[in-house]
Amino acid sequence: EIVLTQSPATLSLSPGERATLSCRASQSVSSYVAWYQQKPGQAPRLLIYDASNRATGIPPRFSASGSGTDFTLTISSLEPEDFAVYYCQQRSDWSGLTFGGGTKVEIK
Amino acid sequence: EVQLVQSGAEVKKPGESLKISCKGSGYSFSNYWIGWVRQMPGKGLEWVGIIFPGDSDTRYSPSFQGQVTISADKSISTAYLQWNTLKASDTAMYYCTTPWRYPRNFDYWGQGTLVTVSS
Repeated sequence: EIVLTQSPATLSLSPGERATLSCRASQSVSSYVAWYQQKPGQAPRLLIYDASNRATGIPPRFSASGSGTDFTLTISSLEPEDFAVYYCQQRSDWSGLTFGGGTKVEIK
Repeated sequence: EVQLVQSGAEVKKPGESLKISCKGSGYSFSNYWIGWVRQMPGKGLEWVGIIFPGDSDTRYSPSFQGQVTISADKSISTAYLQWNTLKASDTAMYYCTTPWRYPRNFDYWGQGTLVTVSS
């Protein structure tokens, strides 16, 4: 099983600051990584697919990069609605699909 | 508009059986994989498995193989997640989801079904 390790577990920042979230895979997943945002009481929302592509309707302050084993999600300037939990996910195959443990972005 | 609507919250006792549902609309249900994700209270997302309703091809996460059954009835555009013998540790929110626009990236989600197993 491919393990995704997200860091940090919690990121305390103020609105307007830049957020940088990391996701590391235990073995290469090529560019097959997605990022999701989840707010309390809501289903996850797809932000990024295939490592660096914004999903439909996602604002440009969200960007992502990476390939192989190291991936990064960046929020250029935090808006109040961006404080949430973020998960990465790899899609090696249907049985082996896994999620990272999540990074909580909280208001400092 | 693509929509996934899940069945309502359930409260069950250990040892009981349960089947929850996820009805798709606004797209060709038979032609898109539909998966299930577990989220235990206060915890992260866990992959359960997925089914292709067109031919019932089903894949499970090794962690859930043998613990649950995923099925689908394409005639009514509905997928199911089923337990034969519930345990307290099955208490969680369960989401259905489909990779409609982007292969293996889940852009549409149901609202979630909360399953509570308690004696």
